Amino acid sequence: DIQMTQSPSSLSASVGDNVTVACQASEDVSIYVNWYQQKPGSAPRLLIYDASTLQTGVSSRFSASGGGTDFTFTIRGLQPEDFAVYYCQEHNDMPFAFGQGTKLEIK
Amino acid sequence: QVQLVESGGALVKPGGSLRLSCVASGFIFSDHYISWIRQGPGQRLEWISSIGDNPRTVFYTESVKGRFTMSRDNAKNSVSLQMNNLRPEDTGVYYCARGEPVPQIWDYWGQGTSVTVSS
Repeated sequence: DIQMTQSPSSLSASVGDNVTVACQASEDVSIYVNWYQQKPGSAPRLLIYDASTLQTGVSSRFSASGGGTDFTFTIRGLQPEDFAVYYCQEHNDMPFAFGQGTKLEIK
Repeated sequence: QVQLVESGGALVKPGGSLRLSCVASGFIFSDHYISWIRQGPGQRLEWISSIGDNPRTVFYTESVKGRFTMSRDNAKNSVSLQMNNLRPEDTGVYYCARGEPVPQIWDYWGQGTSVTVSS
């Protein structure tokens, strides 16, 4: 099975900062990586799919890139509502693994 | 607007059974794959099962094969997850989600239903 590893596992930042999360796949997943945001007590929310395509209605402050085994996710100009847990997920092959999550906290 | 609403979660003893339901609205249900994804306490998200627009097309993660059965009723805009021989490691919040633009990109999720397997 493909393993997805995110780094860092947690991140502390201030409103207005730019932050980047990395996600590494254990094997080539082409561009088939999605990024989700999850807030406490809520379902995940799709932000970006196929490595870099912004989901409809999602702020352009979110962006992502990558391919093969290495992917990055960036938030520019952090807003208070961005503090959450972020997950990468591959959809190249079953079992469509998620990363362990990156918790973004307010500094 | 697109909505998915899960129900059926409960506390159940190891070896017991439970049936989860997910009712959808706001889109052409029969055109979409629907998936179940769970999240154990403090754990990462885990894909469990997906069912295609054709109800005979069903996929499962290895750990639930032979114990869980996913089905759909397009007339009722609903999917179900029959869970048998439950184990403590099946504990978690179970979400149903719509696949769009392809089956394993989950653009809309329900609010989740909680399953606890404990004696």
